[in-house]
Amino acid sequence: AQTVTQSQPEMSVQEAETVTLSCTYDTSESDYYLFWYKQPPSRQMILVIRQEAYKQQNATENRFSVNFQKAAKSFSLKISDSQLGDAAMYFCAYRGTSGSRLTFGEGTQLTVNP
Amino acid sequence: DADVTQTPRNRITKTGKRIMLECSQTKGHDRMYWYRQDPGLGLRLIYYSFDVKDINKGEISDGYSVSRQAQAKFSLSLESAIPNQTALYFCATSDLSWGGQFFGPGTRLTVL
Repeated sequence: AQTVTQSQPEMSVQEAETVTLSCTYDTSESDYYLFWYKQPPSRQMILVIRQEAYKQQNATENRFSVNFQKAAKSFSLKISDSQLGDAAMYFCAYRGTSGSRLTFGEGTQLTVNP
Repeated sequence: DADVTQTPRNRITKTGKRIMLECSQTKGHDRMYWYRQDPGLGLRLIYYSFDVKDINKGEISDGYSVSRQAQAKFSLSLESAIPNQTALYFCATSDLSWGGQFFGPGTRLTVL
């Protein structure tokens, strides 16, 4: 069974600085999808970024980028120029290409200090 | 307008009561899901449906049932609510090609 691990329950960053959130996963599949979701205090689950495992290039969405290391089964999220609105719980998630469900990590609570 | 809506947004009920949470989507996706979120445990899958005639159990389906009334509607029922079903419930949709899921705003359920 696939598992997703986020080893940092809490992280903090100064406004305008850069922070990296870690995620590792375990799978026997060769092709799959990885995601980062953001959950602000409003509770809404918001997709931040998506990576397809067969693509070597790391995904980027504005200030958000990932470092995808397939051999190491690592998928970290880098937030550049952090803003107060980035404060949220961040979840890493995995989905196999033949699978039906997302497997989530436990989440990392990010605090942005002014 | 929101693509995935959930009603109610908040609900307080008593032990033993039957309760239904509803989900509607305008994204045109075939696949719909119900998740439960508890503090420190991330999201866990309760049930999922690939089309109106296809319903599947997730990892924590005991105590829950679902109904897929139409492509756009997927309801979750608690036949006899118990306090440990107090949680945040999310509906989500997806299509196979994209891989990701779109979530509704969540329903906070409290069972006293």
